[in-house]
Amino acid sequence: GAVVSQHPSWVICKSGTSVKIECRSLDFQATTMFWYRQFPKQSLMLMATSNEGSKATYEQGVEKDKFLINHASLTLSTLTVTSAHPEDSSFYICSARDSGINIQYFGAGTRLSVL
Amino acid sequence: GENVEQHPSTLSVQEGDSAVIKCTYSDSASNYFPWYKQELGKRPQLIIDIRSNVGEKKDQRIAVTLNKTAKHFSLHITETQPEDSAVYFCAASLNRDDKIIFGKGTRLHILP
Repeated sequence: GAVVSQHPSWVICKSGTSVKIECRSLDFQATTMFWYRQFPKQSLMLMATSNEGSKATYEQGVEKDKFLINHASLTLSTLTVTSAHPEDSSFYICSARDSGINIQYFGAGTRLSVL
Repeated sequence: GENVEQHPSTLSVQEGDSAVIKCTYSDSASNYFPWYKQELGKRPQLIIDIRSNVGEKKDQRIAVTLNKTAKHFSLHITETQPEDSAVYFCAASLNRDDKIIFGKGTRLHILP
């Protein structure tokens, strides 16, 4: 199946710093990518929809200035957690939609721990 | 917006028996229903999906049924094996928005 690469897989940072997470579609073009947050033993909560060449669409309750999304190319979207705090610690997963067949493929996720 | 309910939250079945997971959705305009399997610490993997123009789809031991009128869809796993143990998520999507809304997941345990 299609491959979506997400980096880093694990990051520890100090409170107040910013962390950037990358999501790449390796063998298909993705005009749309999605960012999810998953708490332990819970479901995937959609944070935002990332559209290539335009502004991201954020779900209700998600702070766009806190979670900056950039989708500058058809194969790369980035999520930057700005001024991270311990409550931002979570598992962040991206997915990329293969436009040709309208199926989403997930990255392996990034575990963020904010000290 | 769309809301997806999933039951049960936990399911234990004897190896070799069948497992059924049920979901309901709220938005009648939803027309794409994927199912994902997530093993501990790993990414969700698409295992089967169904679109609203069909009522049933089967792939080896896995089948999905869809009742558009009742806004129900279900996952059926037959002849369960230990490697089927995982968390399963149902989801619904509106083509025009493309975003997928997930159910809360079902933790499936296959008992030896």
